[in-house]
Amino acid sequence: EVQLVESGGGLVQPGRSMKLSCAASGFTFNNYDMAWVCQAPKKGLEWVATISYDGSSTYYRDSVKGRFTISRDNAKSTLYLQMDSLRSEDTATYYCARHTSANPFAYWGQGTLVTVSS
Amino acid sequence: DIQMTQSPPSLSASLGDKVTITCQASQNINKYIAWYQQKPGKAPRQLIRYTSTLVSGTPSRFSGSGSGRDYSFSISNVESEDIASYYCLQYDNLPYTFGAGTKLELK
Repeated sequence: EVQLVESGGGLVQPGRSMKLSCAASGFTFNNYDMAWVCQAPKKGLEWVATISYDGSSTYYRDSVKGRFTISRDNAKSTLYLQMDSLRSEDTATYYCARHTSANPFAYWGQGTLVTVSS
Repeated sequence: DIQMTQSPPSLSASLGDKVTITCQASQNINKYIAWYQQKPGKAPRQLIRYTSTLVSGTPSRFSGSGSGRDYSFSISNVESEDIASYYCLQYDNLPYTFGAGTKLELK
C-alpha cells in the first residue's frame, strides 16, 4: 500500500524558514517523480513544486521560485521542501504527492499545516 | 499559465441525481485533465486521469469527457458518500493548474 506521511509543519514567523518532510513507503520511491501541492485555508489546490525521480530536475511555481527548494533522499525514501523567506500568503496545508507525467498526483499524504504569522 | 475555469462553484443534488461539472481551459490541453475528490479535512483523491480513464477503485458512476479546451465530469446516481468538493487539474503544461473547485451538497 502506498503511504506518504508529511511532517515538519507548524507556526513560523514571517521571514523565517521551515523544512517539510514526506516519508514514502509501499512503492519504489526512486522510480517516481514527486511533488508538493498546497491548499490555503478554505481555498483551492495549488501545485508548488515537482522533482524528478533522480532529483536531477526540479520545477517550481513562480511565487515560490528562489524561496522554496524541493529535494529528495532516495536512500531514505524521503521528499523534502525547504521553505525560506516565508510570507503570510504561504500559510497552507502542504501535501506531498506521487507524480508522473502520465498519472499526476496519483497518491497524496495527509498533509501538514504551515502557518506563517507573527 | 493555463487558467482552468471550473463551474459551478457549488451544486445541490438529491440522492440518485446525475450531476455534471465543467472545466474550460484557457487553451487546448490535449485531454490532459484529471479530476479529484476532496472530503472535509482529508487529502484529495484522484478519480479520473487523461479525461476519461477511471483510476483503480473509482466507482463506475463517475465519468469524464471532453477535448480541446472543454471538459466535463459527471456523477450518475449520486450517493451520500459522494458529498465532497471536486477539482479539475490540467497537466498538459507547467505550471500545473487546478480549477477553483465545486462543492457538492445534498438537497
